[in-house]
Amino acid sequence: EVQLVNSGGGLVQPGGSLRLSCAASGFTFRNYWMTWVRQAPGKGLEWVANIKQDGSEKHYVDSVEGRFTVSRDNARNSLYLQMNSLRPEDTAVYYCAKHLKPDFREDCFDNWGQGTLVTVSS
Amino acid sequence: DIQMTQSPSTLSASVGDRVTITCRASQSIGRRLAWYQQKPGGAPKLLIYEATSLESGVPSRFSGSGFGTEFTLTISSLQPDDPATYYCQEHSYYSWTFGQGTEVEIK
Repeated sequence: EVQLVNSGGGLVQPGGSLRLSCAASGFTFRNYWMTWVRQAPGKGLEWVANIKQDGSEKHYVDSVEGRFTVSRDNARNSLYLQMNSLRPEDTAVYYCAKHLKPDFREDCFDNWGQGTLVTVSS
Repeated sequence: DIQMTQSPSTLSASVGDRVTITCRASQSIGRRLAWYQQKPGGAPKLLIYEATSLESGVPSRFSGSGFGTEFTLTISSLQPDDPATYYCQEHSYYSWTFGQGTEVEIK
């Protein structure tokens, strides 16, 4: 059974940093693109970033480019999101998600973590 | 950037009703469209991929149709377990955009 477990959220002041983690199991992690999606309180879903199987290709939504960094450790079956220079508008539940098909960038997401809440406030 | 527009924003129907949600893309995306169901406090769940393919384990009352710029999610007979927010998502060239969501309620 595929499992994705999010962790690392919390309360942080504007300008601060936070690192989110996603522990994967139940599938061959190194074969799949992985994605981060966020959801602000009471709002819809927003794609944030994704990363290729070997980490050699990454993409970001414009609003986080230069502040967030997605990475992965295939030996530990783990995905990360380093968030720097956080702003109040980054407040959201952050989900990691697995792409449906192996080695496929432009894909939908068939398994999701439970989400972790990031609150940016003074 | 591709924009995805869902309609309606909210929908109220009775158990057993046929329910239809529409998603329009600002440019052609072929069949690169997925539908998700999200219940309060939960993560999204994939229902339909590639516009028409039913994800494993999803009840057959859910179906998808469309190509290019106009897509539809249909629930053939609304059930008590179906109230949720439904999102479309395009996944075309270097783009992964969600619609704004449709909240489905039971009358």
